[in-house]
Amino acid sequence: DSGVTQTPKHLITATGQRVTLRCSPRSGDLSVYWYQQSLDQGLQFLIQYYNGEERAKGNILERFSAQQFPDLHSELNLSSLELGDSALYFCASSPHRGQGRTEAFFGQGTRLTVV
Amino acid sequence: AQSVTQPDIHITVSEGASLELRCNYSYGATPYLFWYVQSPGQGLQLLLKYFSGDTLVQGIKGFEAEFKRSQSSFNLRKPSVHWSDAAEYFCAVGANAGNMLTFGGGTRLMVKP
Repeated sequence: DSGVTQTPKHLITATGQRVTLRCSPRSGDLSVYWYQQSLDQGLQFLIQYYNGEERAKGNILERFSAQQFPDLHSELNLSSLELGDSALYFCASSPHRGQGRTEAFFGQGTRLTVV
Repeated sequence: AQSVTQPDIHITVSEGASLELRCNYSYGATPYLFWYVQSPGQGLQLLLKYFSGDTLVQGIKGFEAEFKRSQSSFNLRKPSVHWSDAAEYFCAVGANAGNMLTFGGGTRLMVKP
């Protein structure tokens, strides 16, 4: 158990809908990272928050947004969903601002299926 | 920009045999290198990491990896594979001041009895 909790584990929704994925980082970790894992794109970094502030953006679509709350949990909002958004979405956390020089702990992911 | 290549998409080995998974990275400065394992339906678990120092690093579950700067490689090895090692393995690189990891495409390991 990494200590990172993601809910829900599975989500099935229709095209055009909006969903929210939730992540609780390890106790004391200030950084939260979101990744998308799909068959065609592999594992891709989406966005990072550090202590409530957006810190870095990767290949995140404009239809997607995220935020980190004062209690440090984070939510990833996906809207106007398309079939291609079906993927496994991972959250990771680390104590530092930069993930590159420290290990990150990953949650078990939320599997999103868009039908 | 940094990148990671895992040349082998699938590898099958017999239980008890040795294992080497290849990883090549592209990065202009000293990289931070990681190997993660993903079992079916599970998240990513860190096996080992290299930041600096000894180029041969030991990880969990009997895995080790060797950083070779001249070859831009960070291959993962295990002397004797167990059936429970069947999983997907990801190599990743992080930059010094970077904020994210760049992952390779993964290698799926199957273990024959």
